[in-house]
Amino acid sequence: AQSVTQPDIHITVSEGASLELRCNYSYGATPYLFWYVQSPGQGLQLLLKYFSGDTLVQGIKGFEAEFKRSQSSFNLRKPSVHWSDAAEYFCAVDTNAGKSTFGDGTTLTVKP
Amino acid sequence: DGGITQSPKYLFRKEGQNVTLSCEQNLNHDAMYWYRQDPGQGLRLIYYSQIVNDFQKGDIAEGYSVSREKKESFPLTVTSAQKNPTAFYLCASSIARTNTEAFFGQGTRLTVV
Repeated sequence: AQSVTQPDIHITVSEGASLELRCNYSYGATPYLFWYVQSPGQGLQLLLKYFSGDTLVQGIKGFEAEFKRSQSSFNLRKPSVHWSDAAEYFCAVDTNAGKSTFGDGTTLTVKP
Repeated sequence: DGGITQSPKYLFRKEGQNVTLSCEQNLNHDAMYWYRQDPGQGLRLIYYSQIVNDFQKGDIAEGYSVSREKKESFPLTVTSAQKNPTAFYLCASSIARTNTEAFFGQGTRLTVV
């Protein structure tokens, strides 16, 4: 069965600094990969997705992610973090008709 | 506006009572899902449905039941058999069988006292 690991439970960055959130997955073939963001008490919103093709994908709010097959990773990046980016971020993998497996999430705190 | 509506946002129930959480979507999606979220944990799949009148158990189905009588509705019942029902419940939908992203509702926070 597929699995997703987000090694960092909590990350703190200063506003304007760069950000990288890690995601590793376990699956034999090329999976469908997603990053979602969740504000407190809210549902999840899709940031970006990777299905095939270019391994560097662009998403909303200035986020991007790179799929690296050799490392089974799909790390999320942003060049300059804004205070409004503070939230919880979830990586997800989908290998079976729209049923996703989610990581445990990474909470991002942004320092002024 | 298309989207997923969960109601109510907050729900309080006494221990031993069954409670039903509502989820409605107007996205014309075939697939719908229920997830449970606890602090410090990711989303755990309770039930999912890829077509009307059919649904499958997810990873933590014990103590829960669902129905899918209409394409746009997928209510979740938390029964008295669920040992730890207090949690944040999220409903989602997606276009089935194409491995696309899920669209989420705003969640229902259930507290059992």
